[in-house]
Amino acid sequence: KAGVTQTPRYLIKTRGQQVTLSCSPISGHRSVSWYQQTPGQGLQFLFEYFSETQRNKGNFPGRFSGRQFSNSRSEMNVSTLELGDSALYLCASSLTTSASTDTQYFGPGTRLTVL
Amino acid sequence: KQEVTQIPAALSVPEGENLVLNCSFTDSAIYNLQWFRQDPGKGLTSLLLIQSSQREQTSGRLNASLDKSSGRSTLYIAASQPGDSATYLCAVELASNTGKLIFGQGTTLQVKP
Repeated sequence: KAGVTQTPRYLIKTRGQQVTLSCSPISGHRSVSWYQQTPGQGLQFLFEYFSETQRNKGNFPGRFSGRQFSNSRSEMNVSTLELGDSALYLCASSLTTSASTDTQYFGPGTRLTVL
Repeated sequence: KQEVTQIPAALSVPEGENLVLNCSFTDSAIYNLQWFRQDPGKGLTSLLLIQSSQREQTSGRLNASLDKSSGRSTLYIAASQPGDSATYLCAVELASNTGKLIFGQGTTLQVKP
């Protein structure tokens, strides 16, 4: 079974631009979560989607948004990029149902550098 | 607010040694706790998941324990190998179906041949 895939793997942008990152979950997984990882703050939760609905959101500004499609693939978008948005963005999928939670499986991440 | 702490931040041991990594959390009302491994520049690999009703889980040379009442979990690695060198992260989920994990800062382990 293929794992979680993320594209692109590396991205360089300049301040003020916007960026879209993509995540394809493991086949059959309907929950996708996004995390930001930086050396200073560690891993921080951005948001989670289940069946195309955002169920939970972390403490990030509105510049960070996401969506999930009917095939469970998810995208996150960051508008008006700032230098501090440089980070490794990780997505994770799980076989979570409406009644239970399962292990999260992580993708390799997208390394975003903002110049 | 739930906080997760991992001590020590870094650990270096000779090959073959048994070792324990520690994780503590401030709020005992967790749904589950997971241990992950992260290699430099890579994503996270799930190692063990312990439900709040469980006390421990084992996988190969790894054993994780959970004591909710004291807000602690330990990851025991037996007979460490150089290939075990990585950053180990613990994370808690506060409720079912949130998809939200709260992570510690990790322990970076180096196993010397």
